[in-house]
Amino acid sequence: EDQVTQSPEALRLQEGESSSLNCSYTVSGLRGLFWYRQDPGKGPEFLFTLYSAGEEKEKERLKATLTKKESFLHITAPKPEDSATYLCAVQPSYGGATNKLIFGTGTLLAVQP
Amino acid sequence: KAGVTQTPRYLIKTRGQQVTLSCSPISGHRSVSWYQQTPGQGLQFLFEYFSETQRNKGNFPGRFSGRQFSNSRSEMNVSTLELGDSALYLCASSLAGYNEKLFFGSGTQLSVL
Repeated sequence: EDQVTQSPEALRLQEGESSSLNCSYTVSGLRGLFWYRQDPGKGPEFLFTLYSAGEEKEKERLKATLTKKESFLHITAPKPEDSATYLCAVQPSYGGATNKLIFGTGTLLAVQP
Repeated sequence: KAGVTQTPRYLIKTRGQQVTLSCSPISGHRSVSWYQQTPGQGLQFLFEYFSETQRNKGNFPGRFSGRQFSNSRSEMNVSTLELGDSALYLCASSLAGYNEKLFFGSGTQLSVL
């Protein structure tokens, strides 16, 4: 069964304290792995898509990496405005043309000033 | 450019009733997906529509249904509501195809009493 597991469930950091979030996945063929950010009361907002092992993408203080079984979201010198729930999702390669995603339950990140 | 619009923002219903939720995608987007988000299960895929046709369906009972109109607007309906249907229902749109980033609305928070 296709599955996405994120850890930790919650993470509290001091401003400037770098860390990483983990997303491990089991899927019968990976078409793409997505990272989203969700703020309270809002829908998820797209951050990155990774397609193959070894790929890396960066945006401001965030860097996403991908291996054959997991992805990491590295947060460098976080600021309080980085506080949010970070969601990982995979799109299997089967199922034809579709945008269906399988989501993990997310990591709730709190950055304290 | 306007984002994905979902109405209503909040709904309170009682068991046994039915409910219809509405989603207006970003202009030009032809694919609309629906997800259910609960604290315990995270985001779970309900269904996806493309050019008025259901392209994919998740593992939800037949009480959950949807449709898409010629202007790409979409509605989802839940009949015979149960307490467990209480959740945030999110709509997401994308241009077309597959493996595309999704743009989410802020969701409809449904409470079933």
